[in-house]
Amino acid sequence: GNSVTQMEGPVTLSEEAFLTINCTYTATGYPSLFWYVQYPGEGLQLLLKATKADDKGSNKGFEATYRKETTSFHLEKGSVQVSDSAVYFCALLTSNYQLIWGAGTKLIIKP
Amino acid sequence: ETGVTQTPRHLVMGMTNKKSLKCEQHLGHNAMYWYKQSAKKPLELMFVYSLEERVENNSVPSRFSPECPNSSHLFLHLHTLQPEDSALYLCASSQDTSVETDTQYFGPGTRLTVL
Repeated sequence: GNSVTQMEGPVTLSEEAFLTINCTYTATGYPSLFWYVQYPGEGLQLLLKATKADDKGSNKGFEATYRKETTSFHLEKGSVQVSDSAVYFCALLTSNYQLIWGAGTKLIIKP
Repeated sequence: ETGVTQTPRHLVMGMTNKKSLKCEQHLGHNAMYWYKQSAKKPLELMFVYSLEERVENNSVPSRFSPECPNSSHLFLHLHTLQPEDSALYLCASSQDTSVETDTQYFGPGTRLTVL
């Protein structure tokens, strides 16, 4: 079946550190992959997406590359800020339009 | 007014109460979704509507009853809930339910507490 696995949090980093949040998936076919972010007290916001193998999604300094050979979609950012503190969700869209979600990774950035 | 809005933002209800959650999207989308977000669990898809017709129901208990009167509005009617139904209920919309127009846009959620 379809599933998404994310690294457990919380992930705590200092400002300007390099960020990687791992995400791997199992799926039939070629799903679209997403990263959503949920800031405290707010709903989910699309951060970036990739729709086919080797695509790179990017937004607000975050990047993730759709790696079919490793079934991964790791989220990276070169220099994090305190304002990046949030919960990050990896998700895939199945062929019958269902979003399958990871459990979320809480990111805490300390000044 | 932009995006997806949800009301109320917070709701406390007893197990014998009847209440409704409302979602409205201002994006001109044709598909709308209800999700349940519980602590430390992946989001659970509850219902999917496309052009006001229900196209997916993920074995949700009948104490949750959705209603989609038009493509801009989605309701979730609640009755005789259980304490384990306490969660954040998220509404989302997308252009359609096809893979090609797949991005879902979320509302801020309704934090529901069942006493």
